[in-house]
Amino acid sequence: GAGVSQSPSNKVTEKGKDVELRCDPISGHTALYWYRQRLGQGLEFLIYFQGNSAPDKSGLPSDRFSAERTGESVSTLTIQRTQQEDSAVYLCASSLWRGGANVLTFGAGSRLTVL
Amino acid sequence: AQSVTQPDIHITVSEGASLELRCNYSYGATPYLFWYVQSPGQGLQLLLKYFSGDTLVQGIKGFEAEFKRSQSSFNLRKPSVHWSDAAEYFCAVGPLNQAGTALIFGKGTTLSVSS
Repeated sequence: GAGVSQSPSNKVTEKGKDVELRCDPISGHTALYWYRQRLGQGLEFLIYFQGNSAPDKSGLPSDRFSAERTGESVSTLTIQRTQQEDSAVYLCASSLWRGGANVLTFGAGSRLTVL
Repeated sequence: AQSVTQPDIHITVSEGASLELRCNYSYGATPYLFWYVQSPGQGLQLLLKYFSGDTLVQGIKGFEAEFKRSQSSFNLRKPSVHWSDAAEYFCAVGPLNQAGTALIFGKGTTLSVSS
């Protein structure tokens, strides 16, 4: 697509429920990133996918968080047994590595509210 | 440790006045540097980037930034602020010539514009 698409744009859930957030990157972009943005905070790196390489999961805050990506297309971030501290905007970005440096293009984000 | 510091959490500038947002970084490798802007409810939009060469880079919307290696800084400037510039601004750093390493973001500076 023309841009990075994320869904849902807003999600309200009850504590303890599982949620799935979806990211559709720019067509042809080989790299995909998930970041978390808590209220009043910067962007916290969660996970990164690059082509067929093993993902970099170093930013995932707990084993309740996981993400999958099918090839170089859609990615799903799953949060199990949600907690109130998981409330945040989850941002997805994609990039095309051409040497030099990565320029990330971000989606509009998925706002998660855990009651 | 690798980090990005934006010392000013919130800045208010009069419309038409000049603006400077500060960014300092700590990074072990040759850095590449970005400024992103986030309007309310939106994703992050790239304002400008620095990879190499001329240390004064021009971006969109009349913004510019100057890379000062000796000070580990990459401050964002605009000579005359418009009300539409009110937003949150993020500085980010990543490694040059390393495929797909996630960017490290600062906590952001919120810009308010007064009339």
